[in-house]
Amino acid sequence: EPEVTQTPSHQVTQMGQEVILRCVPISNHLYFYWYRQILGQKVEFLVSFYNNEISEKSEIFDDQFSVERPDGSNFTLKIRSTKLEDSAMYFCASKVLGSTGELFFGEGSRLTVL
Amino acid sequence: GQSLEQPSEVTAVEGAIVQINCTYQTSGFYGLSWYQQHDGGAPTFLSYNGLDGLEETGRFSSFLSRSDSYGYLLLQELQMKDSASYFCAVLSGSARQLTFGSGTQLTVLP
Repeated sequence: EPEVTQTPSHQVTQMGQEVILRCVPISNHLYFYWYRQILGQKVEFLVSFYNNEISEKSEIFDDQFSVERPDGSNFTLKIRSTKLEDSAMYFCASKVLGSTGELFFGEGSRLTVL
Repeated sequence: GQSLEQPSEVTAVEGAIVQINCTYQTSGFYGLSWYQQHDGGAPTFLSYNGLDGLEETGRFSSFLSRSDSYGYLLLQELQMKDSASYFCAVLSGSARQLTFGSGTQLTVLP
C-alpha cells in the first residue's frame, strides 16, 4: 500500500540552526501539506502546496519557514533558524484530489530544539 | 477565523457505543473529516462527510448537519484498541486544507 514517508524520524538541533525535514508523498497525489503537533496538543496546519507553489499558509508559517518540491518526488520543509518553540512533531500529508477530506499522513519527524 | 469544539475526554467500556460531537465555525466550508491518532503517531483517516447525513464504515459512523454546523463520530462495539485521540477536522479554504479540532481522548475500559 502506498504511503507517505518522512525523514528523519527524530532530529535534535541547537537553537538558531537550520533544519530540513523531508517527505516523499504518495506518487499520484497532487496536494501536499505540512502540519505540526506540539506534544499533547492539536494538529496545526502550516502550509499547503499545489501545482509547484504555496496555495495557503497559516500564521505559524512565518519567514523562518519555507517549502520546496525540488524534484518529482520530494517535498521539504526548511526552518531557517530554529527556536525553542519549534520543538514539535512535524507531519507531512498528501492527497490526490482537492475535494476530498481524506489526507494521508506520514509518521512524522520529531524536532527537538535545545 | 475557524474554530472547532469537541470534548477533551470520553471514557466508555468495551462493547459500548460512544458518540463524539464536534461543532464548528468556519468560512468556505466543504466538509467534515474524522481522524484517529494513537500515542502521537500519524493521524489516520476514518471518514469524511461532504453532504448532510450519515456515513457508515464498519463499526464507525459519522454524521453531518451543515445547517447546525455540527457533526459527530459514532463508535460501536468498542474495543480496547479504539483507545486513542479522535480529531474532527473541517475541509475549507481555497487550498482545501484541513483544520483540526483539539481532539478527544477516548479511553476504553475492560
